[in-house]
Amino acid sequence: KNQVEQSPQSLIILEGKNCTLQCNYTVSPFSNLRWYKQDTGRGPVSLTIMTFSENTKSNGRYTATLDADTKQSSLHITASQLSDSASYICVVSAPSGYALNFGKGTSLLVTP
Amino acid sequence: GAGVSQSPSNKVTEKGKDVELRCDPISGHTALYWYRQSLGQGLEFLIYFQGNSAPDKSGLPSDRFSAERTGGSVSTLTIQRTQQEDSAVYLCASSLGGLAVQETQYFGPGTRLLVL
Repeated sequence: KNQVEQSPQSLIILEGKNCTLQCNYTVSPFSNLRWYKQDTGRGPVSLTIMTFSENTKSNGRYTATLDADTKQSSLHITASQLSDSASYICVVSAPSGYALNFGKGTSLLVTP
Repeated sequence: GAGVSQSPSNKVTEKGKDVELRCDPISGHTALYWYRQSLGQGLEFLIYFQGNSAPDKSGLPSDRFSAERTGGSVSTLTIQRTQQEDSAVYLCASSLGGLAVQETQYFGPGTRLLVL
């Protein structure tokens, strides 16, 4: 069973609008949570990384939040641009080792 | 500076043939990872190299899959007797090689493998 679930699976929004992507995880114990952006035909690129003690982390128009109690994270994209069209992947790490738990991603399409 | 590079970018092969996928990590990165990304699925861990330590091969799906890392740099993932279910994007990532769970992995663009 996948320990990282993302929703929605896909999303279409108009340019300039905001959107929020969700990530629920069951990985326990927990070390950190990352959001990656994967453009079509490219490898994933890290957007944010948060440890269990952090509630929010911003990177430009991207803001990630984390509730370690409920094991939920969200990625909020403000004033979306066409270049935001990509797959957004939530990745959760346990404290030891190197194994990463990847969500299946949310596919975002920003239209003019 | 140069990122992680992979070659070929695309590979089409016939069922039963062997294929070799190459990964050049970022210079100075001692940790190297191979993942597989099937359509509609999350990334699946295949193998992990860290310096001169024995690699963790626990993610390799069958004995048809093998990987090497020569001189602590370039890595080759080999798939023997390819099957149609091997069709996927194979991603390589590297990191500095410190505390792995704290590090950011830098991904290559992937090799898209299609087995006919």
